Amino acid sequence: KQEVTQIPAALSVPEGENLVLNCSFTDSAIYNLQWFRQDPGKGLTSLLLIQSSQREQTSGRLNASLDKSSGRSTLYIAASQPGDSATYLCAVGGSRLTFGEGTQLTVNP
Amino acid sequence: DADVTQTPRNRITKTGKRIMLECSQTKGHDRMYWYRQDPGLGLRLIYYSFDVKDINKGEISDGYSVSRQAQAKFSLSLESAIPNQTALYFCATSDSSPPLAGVYNEQFFGPGTRLTVL
Repeated sequence: KQEVTQIPAALSVPEGENLVLNCSFTDSAIYNLQWFRQDPGKGLTSLLLIQSSQREQTSGRLNASLDKSSGRSTLYIAASQPGDSATYLCAVGGSRLTFGEGTQLTVNP
Repeated sequence: DADVTQTPRNRITKTGKRIMLECSQTKGHDRMYWYRQDPGLGLRLIYYSFDVKDINKGEISDGYSVSRQAQAKFSLSLESAIPNQTALYFCATSDSSPPLAGVYNEQFFGPGTRLTVL
């Protein structure tokens, strides 16, 4: 059974700092990996999706990497802003996703 | 207008009542999903449907049923609600057809329904 772990569970940083969120998974036979953002009381917003054949994806200040062999992905956020404060979730699989519990990020002004 | 909508957004009900949560999408996607989110347990898949005639159980389907009324509509029912079904419920959609460029199987989520069973 696939298990997804996200470390740290919570992170607080000052505005402007570059940061990395980690995601690990136990079964490397995945089709893709998706990073989401969830604001309190809101739904999930898709940030980036990496297909299993890809190594990374970039969108603005966000960069996600995937290393299938080691079962790891990282989400890099450059020049963090208070508006980046949210819970970040990674999910692996394909049409059926297995989610981690998320990293709660707080960016302080 | 939101691409994936869920009704109701909040619902409080009593043990033993029948509840239906509805999901509609305007993205034209063929695949739809129902998840529940619980603190400390993350999101877990309840049911999924790859098209109107294809419905599959997910990780935690006991106590739930679904109906795919049309490509754009997927509803989740709790036949007899119990307190441990109190959770945040999400509907999601994805497209099985790969675009010429870009990614596919990306899932898009609705805003969620907060269900409380007393």
